[in-house]
Amino acid sequence: NAGVTQTPKFRILKIGQSMTLQCAQDMNHNYMYWYRQDPGMGLKLIYYSVGAGITDKGEVPNGYNVSRSTTEDFPLRLELAAPSQTSVYFCASRSGANTGELFFGEGSRLTVL
Amino acid sequence: DQQVKQNSPSLSVQEGRISILNCDYTNSMFDYFLWYKKYPAEGPTFLISISSIKDKNEDGRFTVFLNKSAKHLSLHIVPSQPGDSAVYFCAASVKTGANNLFFGTGTRLTVIP
Repeated sequence: NAGVTQTPKFRILKIGQSMTLQCAQDMNHNYMYWYRQDPGMGLKLIYYSVGAGITDKGEVPNGYNVSRSTTEDFPLRLELAAPSQTSVYFCASRSGANTGELFFGEGSRLTVL
Repeated sequence: DQQVKQNSPSLSVQEGRISILNCDYTNSMFDYFLWYKKYPAEGPTFLISISSIKDKNEDGRFTVFLNKSAKHLSLHIVPSQPGDSAVYFCAASVKTGANNLFFGTGTRLTVIP
């Protein structure tokens, strides 16, 4: 069972570079999420999607974009990387609106220098 | 503006004893609470949840207690096992299935054999 798969696991970017964090799930979940976790802080929601073609902002969306063209994939795009985006990024999914249980990927550690 | 707080960054407990992890919240609209466990280099995994209509929920060795008037919840692990050593996150939302979960900063539990 793959569950939620994130790539890459580690990445170093220079200021101003762009990149995409990939997230795929094989559980046929409609709901998908991107969180970031800064050192000593709780996870904060960046963007989420309730189904293919539908995305919405979370608590900290600035500097990021997302798309959801399929049920399986939910990539997170950083257009102009800034040091403030140095963080660990977690993708998650859940099966429906009546459960709070999220299934998380292993995380992607991003450093912007 | 941390709405969910875990004031103890770490906790050490002897194997076989009880572990009690605490969590406080400030938003009286929170209606649904969850605990996640996280091992190093892995994503968080769901442990147990509780709705505000209950004051206790039990699942095997894990029990969550909710005190709404005090805006406080706790996770009890009895008996504690070395495999329970992990970081535990408390999370809250305004309803079951809400898209934004608010996470605490986590408590690192170490169970000493």
